Amino acid sequence: NAGVTQTPKFQVLKTGQSMTLQCAQDMNHNSMYWYRQDPGMGLRLIYYSASEGTTDKGEVPNGYNVSRLNKREFSLRLESAAPSQTSVYFCASSDQTGPSYGYTFGSGTRLTVV
Amino acid sequence: RKEVEQDPGPFNVPEGATVAFNCTYSNSASQSFFWYRQDCRKEPKLLMSVYSSGNEDGRFTAQLNRASQYISLLIRDSKLSDSATYLCVVRDSNYQLIWGAGTKLIIKP
Repeated sequence: NAGVTQTPKFQVLKTGQSMTLQCAQDMNHNSMYWYRQDPGMGLRLIYYSASEGTTDKGEVPNGYNVSRLNKREFSLRLESAAPSQTSVYFCASSDQTGPSYGYTFGSGTRLTVV
Repeated sequence: RKEVEQDPGPFNVPEGATVAFNCTYSNSASQSFFWYRQDCRKEPKLLMSVYSSGNEDGRFTAQLNRASQYISLLIRDSKLSDSATYLCVVRDSNYQLIWGAGTKLIIKP
């Protein structure tokens, strides 16, 4: 009963380094999302994938890339990390059935860029 | 103006009291509404959806006022375990979720 699994849980990067955040869900959901959460702000959508094989930009896509590897996995890549990307990153999934579908979130990745 | 606005709090409330949060949204075309709960350093979890007629789940009651574009959450007989940040969430006409920054609730014994 894992739900949404994110790795790593914590990461410290130097400016300019790259890394990939991994996300996998075992609920057979079609849609997956990457958010960032900063103090005093609501969650902001970075990228999403409405279904396997598609990805779209969200509100704050600059500096990030994503890959929907298969139905289960959706990764987020920082090609050249910047201090402004210090944040908590959450992956989420949903099946988008009905008007009141909810999102299931992973436990988050706390990223610090120095 | 933020699309979804909440009072950041914190609301400091004694155990057993009733507490209410409001949330306003700017897009009149918004279609669905939710309250999420987020514990400190944890992920958000769906608390309840908000229906036009209002809905109740145990000690929690959610109301929607489309004319005034606000959503409310009422917690009765508050428990220590209710301490968390409560996030107001609105789904827009593009099926995207717009998140409020959250209201922090602290229940004191």
